[in-house]
Amino acid sequence: SQQGEEDPQALSIQEGENATMNCSYKTSINNLQWYRQNSGRGLVHLILIRSNEREKHSGRLRVTLDTSKKSSSLLITASRAADTASYFCATDADAGNMLTFGGGTRLMVKP
Amino acid sequence: ETGVTQSPTHLIKTRGQQVTLRCSSQSGHNTVSWYQQALGQGPQFIFQYYREEENGRGNFPPRFSGLQFPNYSSELNVNALELDDSALYLCASSLVGVAGELFFGEGSRLTVL
Repeated sequence: SQQGEEDPQALSIQEGENATMNCSYKTSINNLQWYRQNSGRGLVHLILIRSNEREKHSGRLRVTLDTSKKSSSLLITASRAADTASYFCATDADAGNMLTFGGGTRLMVKP
Repeated sequence: ETGVTQSPTHLIKTRGQQVTLRCSSQSGHNTVSWYQQALGQGPQFIFQYYREEENGRGNFPPRFSGLQFPNYSSELNVNALELDDSALYLCASSLVGVAGELFFGEGSRLTVL
């Protein structure tokens, strides 16, 4: 079973627009991570946010975490066609690197 | 490129057979985890190995088993294959005690007929 639900399941935007993906989870966490997956290939780590952090930035990525609502969001600014991929949130309950993934958001960025 | 390599990349088996998937970890990483990803879904944690022992397991039956070798490479074995075992199997390496980035391989896509 998967801990998280991601919303939306699919998102289609134009190049240059911002993309926002949301993730909800059920149990307490040590950290939450976001990964990207291109078309059935391996996952690539994007960013990690710890339970005592509320916001984190990395390049065009901004992640927020609300532990009271058990939710997180990933914002990709000024999207590019190359950002087309599936994005997954993953929670780590105890910093043991045993992750529980959500169902993912499929992002399509049209040129 | 993450430095994590998996083999084979694709394979087809029939129901009831056994399969072994292999993973070579990123240099310096002492922990390996395996995940199963069914089509259109997120990965599900199978188990994690550290110091050649299983130190965590997800909700998978005992016919899913693994090994970690002294050089930190790893195998995933699945016995008595079922149709629902058809999936992408992903290996990920990390450092024990360092929460954060997992380095994933490209996966082995298993089809069970």
